[in-house]
Amino acid sequence: EPEVTQTPSHQVTQMGQEVILRCVPISNHLYFYWYRQILGQKVEFLVSFYNNEISEKSEIFDDQFSVERPDGSNFTLKIRSTKLEDSAMYFCASSEPGGGYTFGSGTRLTVV
Amino acid sequence: GQQLNQSPQSMFIQEGEDVSMNCTSSSIFNTWLWYKQDPGEGPVLLIALYKAGELTSNGRLTAQFGITRKDSFLNISASIPSDVGIYFCAGSPRFGAGTRLTVKP
Repeated sequence: EPEVTQTPSHQVTQMGQEVILRCVPISNHLYFYWYRQILGQKVEFLVSFYNNEISEKSEIFDDQFSVERPDGSNFTLKIRSTKLEDSAMYFCASSEPGGGYTFGSGTRLTVV
Repeated sequence: GQQLNQSPQSMFIQEGEDVSMNCTSSSIFNTWLWYKQDPGEGPVLLIALYKAGELTSNGRLTAQFGITRKDSFLNISASIPSDVGIYFCAGSPRFGAGTRLTVKP
C-alpha cells in the first residue's frame, strides 16, 4: 500500500537553529499538508499545498514557517529560528482531490 | 477559523460495549473524515464521508455525515481491546480535539 514517508524520524536541534523536515507524499496525490501535534494534545493543521502554492494556512503558520516542493517528489517544512515550544511531532499528509488524507509516521522535533 | 467540537473527550468502556462519539461545527464541510491514532504513530484514516446524510460502515465502525453537513458521528460496535486509541474527526483540513478511548478487558 502506498505510504507517505517522513525523514528524519527524530530531529534534535538547538534553540535558534533552522530545521528542515522532509516528506515524500504518495506519488499520484496532488494535495499536501503539514500538521503539528504537541505531546498529548490535538493534531493541529499548519498548511496545505496544491499546485506549487499554499492553498490554506492556519494562524500557527507564521513567518517562522515555510514550505517548498523542491522537486517532483519531496515536500519540505522549514522552521526558522526554532523555539522550545516548537518541540512536537510534525506530520505530513497527502491526498487526492476531495479524498481522505494519508499521514506519514511523523518527525519528532525536540528543541533544546 | 473553522472550529470542530468533538465529544466526549474520553471514554472508559468494557470490552464488548458499543461506543459513540461525535463532532459538530458551525461551518459546513464537504468532507468529514474519521481517524484513529495509536501512540507514537500518525493518524490512520478509518472512514471518509462525502455526502450529506451518508452512512458508511467499515467493519465494526459506522459513521454518518449529518444532513446539515455540520456534524458527524462515529459508532464502534462490540469494542475490543485493540480499539484503544485516540479518535479524531476532521473537516478538511482541521481536526477535532480527539476522543481518547480506553477499553477494559
